[in-house]
Amino acid sequence: GIQVEQSPPDLILQEGANSTLRCNFSDSVNNLQWFHQNPWGQLINLFYIPSGTKQNGRLSATTVATERYSLLYISSSQTTDSGVYFCAVARAAGNKLTFGGGTRVLVKP
Amino acid sequence: DTGVSQDPRHKITKRGQNVTFRCDPISEHNRLYWYRQTLGQGPEFLTYFQNEAQLEKSRLLSDRFSAERPKGSFSTLEIQRTEQGDSAMYLCASSRGQGMTRGTIYFGEGSWLTVV
Repeated sequence: GIQVEQSPPDLILQEGANSTLRCNFSDSVNNLQWFHQNPWGQLINLFYIPSGTKQNGRLSATTVATERYSLLYISSSQTTDSGVYFCAVARAAGNKLTFGGGTRVLVKP
Repeated sequence: DTGVSQDPRHKITKRGQNVTFRCDPISEHNRLYWYRQTLGQGPEFLTYFQNEAQLEKSRLLSDRFSAERPKGSFSTLEIQRTEQGDSAMYLCASSRGQGMTRGTIYFGEGSWLTVV
């Protein structure tokens, strides 16, 4: 199956700082999503981004499908950004997702 | 759009007992997925349905696990003869399965299982 690796595994930020999270995947995909898992376990969709660039407020994401990686940018981080960020991919748009191990982010006030 | 709902949210059971989780997907979604997540790990795929048909099952889904989706609406995941290793969060998700937004998968809040 597809392998998904995320880096860094852990990230500690001071409030207001910017950061970049990376997701590498081992095969061609037609579905890539970024999620934020809050402390209560809820997985919140951030982006559906199999290719290209999208922005939503302080968050943006870029996927370079030909090079098999995606980046999630967090700008002007806030304490509410804390949690685990997961990248998940699938070969086909409607199929099951394979998740990476996540990046655990802690934003300190 | 009421989101994906799961019930119960928390379950503590004794080893050897059976447990059942229910998932109600977003109403117009025809695909439904079950995942399992243990502490410190990403979610792992268990099985998924298109309408009432179970299309794929992971090797993680032992004979003690069974999932159903009668009439293509809600789904149940039953674990028989629970073991301590079954302790995890069980996540349900749904998607349209077709059209421009078919790739976007939405997750419920999860059902936490503790086997003692």
